Amino acid sequence: QQPVQSPQAVILREGEDAVINCSSSKALYSVHWYRQKHGEAPVFLMILLKGGEQKGHEKISASFNEKKQQSSLYLTASQLSYSGTYFCGTETPDKYNFNKFYFGSGTKLNVKP
Amino acid sequence: EAGVAQSPRYKIIEKRQSVAFWCNPISGHATLYWYQQILGQGPKLLIQFQNNGVVDDSQLPKDRFSAERLKGVDSTLKIQPAKLEDSAVYLCASSLVAGGEAFFGQGTRLTVV
Repeated sequence: QQPVQSPQAVILREGEDAVINCSSSKALYSVHWYRQKHGEAPVFLMILLKGGEQKGHEKISASFNEKKQQSSLYLTASQLSYSGTYFCGTETPDKYNFNKFYFGSGTKLNVKP
Repeated sequence: EAGVAQSPRYKIIEKRQSVAFWCNPISGHATLYWYQQILGQGPKLLIQFQNNGVVDDSQLPKDRFSAERLKGVDSTLKIQPAKLEDSAVYLCASSLVAGGEAFFGQGTRLTVV
């Protein structure tokens, strides 16, 4: 039930854009995005609920395609501070309709000057 | 606002020994999570509490791991006996509501030798 993230790693120059994808084999109730810097705790970026919404957070935005069971995180005009590992987390209802939460394996983003 | 507090920050034990971790969530947060994060992987949910009741412990190795949340506030996670593969960072997180934005503590880095 763990979502699959791609790519596993990205290297960017400052100012370049990146897209990180998250897909699930199960129906999704919501998708969460977190960023974790080396040696630190994950920090919340945003939650997307089913309904195909798109959200924005500064120059970081995300979309959620419920039918495709996918979410994408868009980083625009990347800054050095964007470096870190990005995790998507998905809520999937189980057979009792209880939402279970799983993190993906992460996408390591390295922004260079 | 005080964040999620965890202790200790680091712990080194020998295999077959016991260890306990403590977590104090953000005041008023009903939901508390314990995650295990092995180096290079995404956090894996071990147990989720709603107030002082367990709502999901499906990925908790119950033969050696136990957790409790007394009075719906602080929580402890225990491993007894520890194995080499338990070496990881143990993260505690809390949220106002289940499935909401989660705030993570700094984690406890456990090394089992």
